[in-house]
Amino acid sequence: DAGITQSPRHKVTETGTPVTLRCHQTENHRYMYWYRQDPGHGLRLIHYSYGVKDTDKGEVSDGYSVSRSKTEDFLLTLESATSSQTSVYFCAITGQANTEAFFGQGTRLTVV
Amino acid sequence: KNEVEQSPQNLTAQEGEFITINCSYSVGISALHWLQQHPGGGIVSLFMLSSGKKKHGRLIATINIQEKHSSLHITASHPRDSAVYICAVAQGTGNQFYFGTGTSLTVIP
Repeated sequence: DAGITQSPRHKVTETGTPVTLRCHQTENHRYMYWYRQDPGHGLRLIHYSYGVKDTDKGEVSDGYSVSRSKTEDFLLTLESATSSQTSVYFCAITGQANTEAFFGQGTRLTVV
Repeated sequence: KNEVEQSPQNLTAQEGEFITINCSYSVGISALHWLQQHPGGGIVSLFMLSSGKKKHGRLIATINIQEKHSSLHITASHPRDSAVYICAVAQGTGNQFYFGTGTSLTVIP
């Protein structure tokens, strides 16, 4: 199994609080991604990174920020959590283009 | 943005049946991935395709780049194949994925 770990696995938080999810990889892969999975929408890209300090927005980036200060860690921050951000969040990694992708176990986030 | 469509959305089969799941996409891609997700579970990559056909055990995946279409076949289906199968296309400078909404497969013994 590829070395990719998400933390926490489950979290309940209150509306308006900041939340940070962590994705850690031991594969030295260049590309890292954050996706959210919602019923009826499938998986959608939030943000991605193509190197240390190099990040870009995906299709559902509003209300989220990311940081990548080291190759192995990619952090997703909900600046002020809202109920619409209740979701399952997946981190993924790939090496170069056209290589296999590996997914973390997912983080179930509930905003109350 | 790439529009990715999968069919069928839901599929119930008897054990031993041959199963086909289809995926079509709207614009050019660098690769297409088939993923598997068990209930409450994580996501596992089954295949990565940029052309032709790949086989792994009872699973076969094909892609037709000109027609922008891919199929995932399961031969001699088994109850342990019950899962959601997701088609994802990779494109863009970040090699990011765009996903179909998935096909929920149930194989009955």
